[in-house]
Amino acid sequence: SAVISQKPSRDICQRGTSLTIQCQVDSQVTMMFWYRQQPGQSLTLIATANQGSEATYESGFVIDKFPISRPNLTFSTLTVSNMSPEDSSIYLCSVVRQVEAFFGQGTRLTVV
Amino acid sequence: AQTVTQSQPEMSVQEAETVTLSCTYDTSESDYYLFWYKQPPSRQMILVIRQEAYKQQNATENRFSVNFQKAAKSFSLKISDSQLGDAAMYFCAYRRDSNYQLIWGAGTKLIIKP
Repeated sequence: SAVISQKPSRDICQRGTSLTIQCQVDSQVTMMFWYRQQPGQSLTLIATANQGSEATYESGFVIDKFPISRPNLTFSTLTVSNMSPEDSSIYLCSVVRQVEAFFGQGTRLTVV
Repeated sequence: AQTVTQSQPEMSVQEAETVTLSCTYDTSESDYYLFWYKQPPSRQMILVIRQEAYKQQNATENRFSVNFQKAAKSFSLKISDSQLGDAAMYFCAYRRDSNYQLIWGAGTKLIIKP
């Protein structure tokens, strides 16, 4: 299994500001995944973060808006930049160990 | 491209009864994995059950079982003896054997009536 600590669990932010979400994994993993879950919807992959290289972004997501850091094999951050109300969502980090995907507790972001 | 379809946005069941959630998927791959995840209001995504495509036997985990029909590309979840704690969003997900990326269905909200 994998234990993932994600912080913060929730935040309310002013539009135009940025929020950095942190994920700490209990052991080393090659890839970490960042998802967005808009209200009442399914998960959408934002990007895949590999240690030592730039993250790979999915269509519709750009590095300037969602910069990602991956300084080592147990930690990653996602920043939501220049926020607007449309960024209000749950953000989740995830890792895959063997077959199974494990998730952080999620960050509920509200932009006002 | 692979897709996952959950055609039931919401299902409700009486406590202690049985409910089946539907999932279909589309793929040209022969080796892959299928999953059911549960997301309660706490937001924590929890694996309920998984199925390897190469296994003919349907996976079972206590009160949860699947009906995996590979030819029909169908992967339904049966919950027996439903409990109040089963109330959650249930997501069906697909993963290729050679790729860690998950493809998600839209989810089914399960309501348990006491």
